[in-house]
Amino acid sequence: ETGVTQTPRHLVMGMTNKKSLKCEQHLGHNAMYWYKQSAKKPLELMFVYSLEERVENNSVPSRFSPECPNSSHLFLHLHTLQPEDSALYLCASSQDFNGGLAVIETQYFGPGTRLLVL
Amino acid sequence: AQKVTQAQTEISVVEKEDVTLDCVYETRDTTYYLFWYKQPPSGELVFLIRRNSFDEQNEISGRYSWNFQKSTSSFNFTITASQVVDSAVYFCALYPVISSGSARQLTFGSGTQLTVLP
Repeated sequence: ETGVTQTPRHLVMGMTNKKSLKCEQHLGHNAMYWYKQSAKKPLELMFVYSLEERVENNSVPSRFSPECPNSSHLFLHLHTLQPEDSALYLCASSQDFNGGLAVIETQYFGPGTRLLVL
Repeated sequence: AQKVTQAQTEISVVEKEDVTLDCVYETRDTTYYLFWYKQPPSGELVFLIRRNSFDEQNEISGRYSWNFQKSTSSFNFTITASQVVDSAVYFCALYPVISSGSARQLTFGSGTQLTVLP
């Protein structure tokens, strides 16, 4: 199943670097999500985009900047990260609206980008 | 606020044993969805099942079965005749249907690491 893909799968960056994570969904969904998964912590929702509009920002530091150019693509731009930002970053997608009606559909996840900040 | 508790941090079983993963949740919402996801070492969260709060029927899918009990706020997951390939982290998650405000928060438990030994 390659419904949601993420690149790169692994990333090592210094604190002064700028990098971007990419997510692409091939499921025809209209909502996309970024999650952070740190060791020994529950998954944390970072951002939600529905119909390409950001609808959720869970108090994420400004060094993380999302971008959703269309319903199939989602980016997470990273700059001046800290070592504690090292984690697995997961992208997910779901169908948020169906024929104009809000629906609740299952979120499908990508394989994640394992990020290490030195 | 929502909360999902998976009290079992790690479980080890020998192949062919049955194993039950516990999930207890808290929510004030009368309508909600419950999910189970599997996360193998590759990192991707794989969707297993979704159940809404009005459907308390137990479900069986091959070697997997789920026991939803609203009276005890539990949604337990049983693997029958476990196999080595079942080794993974399993997450239980809750999605409340909120009439206003943010309705896109999938609240995850902290996960249970299942190891099936040959």
